[in-house]
Amino acid sequence: AQSVTQPDIHITVSEGASLELRCNYSYGATPYLFWYVQSPGQGLQLLLKYFSGDTLVQGIKGFEAEFKRSQSSFNLRKPSVHWSDAAEYFCAVGSSNTGKLIFGQGTTLQVKP
Amino acid sequence: DTAVSQTPKYLVTQMGNDKSIKCEQNLGHDTMYWYKQDSKKFLKIMFSYNNKELIINETVPNRFSPKSPDKAHLNLHINSLELGDSAVYFCASRSTRNLSHEQFFGPGTRLTVL
Repeated sequence: AQSVTQPDIHITVSEGASLELRCNYSYGATPYLFWYVQSPGQGLQLLLKYFSGDTLVQGIKGFEAEFKRSQSSFNLRKPSVHWSDAAEYFCAVGSSNTGKLIFGQGTTLQVKP
Repeated sequence: DTAVSQTPKYLVTQMGNDKSIKCEQNLGHDTMYWYKQDSKKFLKIMFSYNNKELIINETVPNRFSPKSPDKAHLNLHINSLELGDSAVYFCASRSTRNLSHEQFFGPGTRLTVL
């Protein structure tokens, strides 16, 4: 069955520090992978996506993610975190036929000044 | 110029009532979805329509009935509301011509059942 695991429920980093949010997926075929961000009381905004090609993908707001098929992972990174990055982050895998998204449990990012 | 819009943004109602949430997209997409986000922020697919045809119906109580009058609209009607229906409901859309399968989300409707 398709599934997504985000092992870290809550992460706190200092402003200016680097960030890595982990995501592991289970999917039979080549996955369509996404990272979405949700600010408090807001909808979901797409940060970046992977569906083919270069395994290192660049997204908005200085985020990047690397697809590693051997590890079934799609970790999100940012070299220097800003206070405005505090939010909920969701990793998702998309079904190739219906397109439905299966989400991980989310990781809450807190940024210390 | 909102891409995916939902109305209302907030909905507070009593148990047992019937309510509807509306979703509209102006992106020209052919597929629309409803997701439910529970109190623990977990997001789960409920329904999907492609060109007005139901293609996904997850294990959702039949008190929930989606309706797609045209490709740009997907409404969600809920009968006999229960406390457990309290959640944020997100509408999303995508184009099956888009190879990346990216979905665009609406702002959400926060439903509170008292």
